[in-house]
Amino acid sequence: SQTIHQWPATLVQPVGSPLSLECTVEGTSNPNLYWYRQAAGRGLQLLFYSVGIGQISSEVPQNLSASRPQDRQFILSSKKLLLSDSGFYLCAWSRGGRTEAFFGQGTRLTVV
Amino acid sequence: GESVGLHLPTLSVQEGDNSIINCAYSNSASDYFIWYKQESGKGPQFIIDIRSNMDKRQGQRVTVLLNKTVKHLSLQIAATQPGDSAVYFCAEETGGGNKLTFGTGTQLKVEL
Repeated sequence: SQTIHQWPATLVQPVGSPLSLECTVEGTSNPNLYWYRQAAGRGLQLLFYSVGIGQISSEVPQNLSASRPQDRQFILSSKKLLLSDSGFYLCAWSRGGRTEAFFGQGTRLTVV
Repeated sequence: GESVGLHLPTLSVQEGDNSIINCAYSNSASDYFIWYKQESGKGPQFIIDIRSNMDKRQGQRVTVLLNKTVKHLSLQIAATQPGDSAVYFCAEETGGGNKLTFGTGTQLKVEL
């Protein structure tokens, strides 16, 4: 069966510090991968998605970047965090082509 | 999918009543739709999906209706239970089957 791992579960970082969130998928190959951000009490905002290694589509220009160094690994990064980067970050995968996406348990990031 | 900055609307229902949660989408090219349930502090979970060549699909206690003419999607939950309390999101797939964007969620509260 397929599983998705996302870590850490919670993170408190100072303003100006770098960020690296990692997401890995097991049990499937060549998945579509997604990063979403959710502010408290708000909807899910699509940040990045990837259909293959090294292929990243950015949806919202901001202080973040994404990379896919391996088929089942998706990394969300920032060089310098802002207070507004605080939120609940969710990684997801799908097989693409009219199939549902499966979500990780999320990382709650608080920038202080 | 551009309402992520708004507070979630709330729907309150009595236990045992039927719930109807609505969602409007904007992209007429979207051909696949999904409903997700998100409990507090967790990632969204798949409930039911529907393809654009259908107008109705039923699952266990849930029914999704799709009206492509007015770009409207609804989720009906029969005999709502306390465990149904959560935030519900609709999602649409575009980008050739690779881009999954979410609509404004609805907070469902079940009153005993």
